[in-house]
Amino acid sequence: QQQVKQSPQSLIVQKGGIPIINCAYENTAFDYFPWYQQFPGKGPALLIAIRPDVSEKKEGRFTISFNKSAKQFSLHIMDSQPGDSATYFCGQGGSEKLVFGKGTKLTVNP
Amino acid sequence: GAGVSQSPRYKVTKRGQDVALRCDPISGHVSLYWYRQALGQGPEFLTYFNYEAQQDKSGLPNDRFSAERPEGSISTLTIQRTEQRDSAMYRCASSGRTGAAYEQYFGPGTRLTVT
Repeated sequence: QQQVKQSPQSLIVQKGGIPIINCAYENTAFDYFPWYQQFPGKGPALLIAIRPDVSEKKEGRFTISFNKSAKQFSLHIMDSQPGDSATYFCGQGGSEKLVFGKGTKLTVNP
Repeated sequence: GAGVSQSPRYKVTKRGQDVALRCDPISGHVSLYWYRQALGQGPEFLTYFNYEAQQDKSGLPNDRFSAERPEGSISTLTIQRTEQRDSAMYRCASSGRTGAAYEQYFGPGTRLTVT
């Protein structure tokens, strides 16, 4: 059973802080690791994704760090803003399907 | 351009009734996926299509659930003899052909409530 374990379940930071969300995976057969952002009442939106041939990927204020040997990856949000308050899901998969973590509810206080 | 659309957005049905949920993917996207998302959880895979071919239906909970995509575009997820445990948000996603084959774009979902 393919699983992605995500932590923490919830996270509260002050504006400008750097929240970090972690995920661990078991199945090494899949080579695509996305992060999705979901606002209340909306569908998940692709935020950033990485493949295991690189250890880090940055897009704007969002960075994925990937540790292949530990089978872990994490999302860092630089200079977090109240507008970043949302639920974040990590995933693993390929063109066939994605398996998601249970989500992290992030709150960024002004 | 237009994103993934789903209809209806909300569906309330009585236990035992059949329901059909529709997904209209992004134009030109060859792959279409159905997920179910419980409150406070991540989306859970149900089934997926490449063009009109159903490639994997391993996530469908039981034989009351079925999906089709007859012309390789719009897809319908059908739940027969609905039960209260079927109540959830049903989400559709689509992805393109090359270069970004893994990037799945989600629709707004259909909230199904079985009373």
